[in-house]
Amino acid sequence: DSGVTQTPKHLITATGQRVTLRCSPRSGDLSVYWYQQSLDQGLQFLIQYYNGEERAKGNILERFSAQQFPDLHSELNLSSLELGDSALYFCASSTGQGAAEAFFGQGTRLTVV
Amino acid sequence: DAKTTQPNSMESNEEEPVHLPCNHSTISGTDYIHWYRQLPSQGPEYVIHGLTSNVNNRMASLAIAEDRKSSTLILHRATLRDAAVYYCILRDLEEYEKLTFGTGTRLTIIP
Repeated sequence: DSGVTQTPKHLITATGQRVTLRCSPRSGDLSVYWYQQSLDQGLQFLIQYYNGEERAKGNILERFSAQQFPDLHSELNLSSLELGDSALYFCASSTGQGAAEAFFGQGTRLTVV
Repeated sequence: DAKTTQPNSMESNEEEPVHLPCNHSTISGTDYIHWYRQLPSQGPEYVIHGLTSNVNNRMASLAIAEDRKSSTLILHRATLRDAAVYYCILRDLEEYEKLTFGTGTRLTIIP
């Protein structure tokens, strides 16, 4: 158990819909990262937050947005969903200090039908 | 991001040592070398990291070349549970520590 909790574990929704994925970081970790993993793309970095502020942005679509709340949990919002958005979405957390390792959750499997 | 090159796949016998190579010829002075692995149907898991000196922990050892252009992850005695995709990642502290995953090495353990 990494200490990072992601909910829900599975999500099935229709094209055009909007979903919210939630991540609770390990206790004490200030940094939260979001990754997307689809079969043909590998692990793609989406976005990182540190203590409530956006710190780094990767290949995140404009239809996707994220935020980190004062209690440090984070949410990833995916809207106008397309079939190609079906993937595993991972959240990771770290202390945000130096080269500290990141701890990943078990992921949310999103299926868009 | 500085890039790493790893073999696509490797096989090893159970209970034998495994040496997973990684080339990173464009590494910069502020890059740490991190290794993660991903078991089937799970999130990536931290294995080990280092900067210049060799490192050991309960999971593995990391051997870093003197010029830092390559490194080797060593699993001392592979078990079936070590079958996973292993990622070698350069983590630049000046880029706010994001981890950029490549394609990794798929390690198969033969019983």
